[in-house]
Amino acid sequence: AQSVTQLGSHVSVSEGALVLLRCNYSSSVPPYLFWYVQYPNQGLQLLLKYTSAATLVKGINGFEAEFKKSETSFHLTKPSAHMRDAAEYFCAVSSPQGAQKLVFGQGTRLTINP
Amino acid sequence: EPEVTQTPSHQVTQMGQEVILRCVPISNHLYFYWYRQILGQKVEFLVSFYNNEISEKSEIFDDQFSVERPDGSNFTLKIRSTKLEDSAMYFCASTLGSTGANVLTFGAGSRLTVL
Repeated sequence: AQSVTQLGSHVSVSEGALVLLRCNYSSSVPPYLFWYVQYPNQGLQLLLKYTSAATLVKGINGFEAEFKKSETSFHLTKPSAHMRDAAEYFCAVSSPQGAQKLVFGQGTRLTINP
Repeated sequence: EPEVTQTPSHQVTQMGQEVILRCVPISNHLYFYWYRQILGQKVEFLVSFYNNEISEKSEIFDDQFSVERPDGSNFTLKIRSTKLEDSAMYFCASTLGSTGANVLTFGAGSRLTVL
């Protein structure tokens, strides 16, 4: 069985500040890990994914995440927040055998303060 | 950029009524999925569909749910007799293949409200 826990349902940062969204996973098999973003009235858009290659993954819009097996974490970061980053962010896990059957975290709403 | 299109964006229905949610996946994609998100809860996998049959379904996907690809472009989710607890955002997704290199492309969702 797989599960994802996102620490913090709401995160608020100032424009230009570091963004850190936390994700911890549980998986009995080597995981595939994903971060999706949802802007208002839009679908879930893939930010980045980890599929057992490089542990530091770079995604779109300046986001990156690091897979840390010892900590079972896949935290999402961005050095400098922009107003347009305000959205809901979802961490998800799957496995190589069921790569499209995603198990999602509960989501983190990111607010950017001017 | 190709999109997954879902209609309606919002539907309100009475308990016990049948509802059909429609999706137009990306045209060359072969695998199709439904997920749902009850307000305040996690996005959950419902069902996957390939080659005109269900390939996997969750325990949520009971006999009141069905999926169909009635023509070459649409992929539908039918709820036969809606319950209050079916109120949720339903997301359709598609992929070209089933390996890890194939990333789900999601639609914007259909919000279902059951009264």
